[in-house]
Amino acid sequence: EDQVTQSPEALRLQEGESSSLNCSYTVSGLRGLFWYRQDPGKGPEFLFTLYSAGEEKEKERLKATLTKKESFLHITAPKPEDSATYLCADPPQGGSEKLVFGKGMKLTVNP
Amino acid sequence: SAVISQKPSRDICQRGTSLTIQCQVDSQVTMMFWYRQQPGQSLTLIATANQGSEATYESGFVIDKFPISRPNLTFSTLTVSNMSPEDSSIYLCSVGEFWGAKNIQYFGAGTRLSVL
Repeated sequence: EDQVTQSPEALRLQEGESSSLNCSYTVSGLRGLFWYRQDPGKGPEFLFTLYSAGEEKEKERLKATLTKKESFLHITAPKPEDSATYLCADPPQGGSEKLVFGKGMKLTVNP
Repeated sequence: SAVISQKPSRDICQRGTSLTIQCQVDSQVTMMFWYRQQPGQSLTLIATANQGSEATYESGFVIDKFPISRPNLTFSTLTVSNMSPEDSSIYLCSVGEFWGAKNIQYFGAGTRLSVL
């Protein structure tokens, strides 16, 4: 069964305290690992897609990296506005374009 | 990126009634998806809606409960039929932009449904 597991489920940081979020996946033949940000009352906002081990992408204080088994979302010197739920997702085997999502990780950054 | 509008943004419904959710996209797209996000849970795909063909439903979801229309390349509806409190969720529409081997999916703001 295709699975995407995120850890930790929740993380509370002080402003400026860097950390990393983990996303592990079980699907072989990776066709992209997706990161989304979701604010309360809103739909997920696309952040990154990673396609091959060793690939990295950055956006402001966020950097996503990918290995053969997991992806990390590194948050450098976070600000309160980075508080959100971060979701990772993976297309399953079989060529479908749908996404299998992890449960998400709720990040709270305190000022 | 595609701009997706969903209506209604939220609703409170009575048990046994039905609600139709609309999804409008600002550009023509081939594939549209409907997801459900139950409280504290991840997003789960309900069905894929392609214009000109029947929607494809995921395991655990049936057409009688979640009928979908896709009349053109910019619009789709999802109906939640004969609702029960267990249907209380956020329902999200998404569209895919695909080129080569890569794809990105964009999401609407969602419809927050409460069933009493």
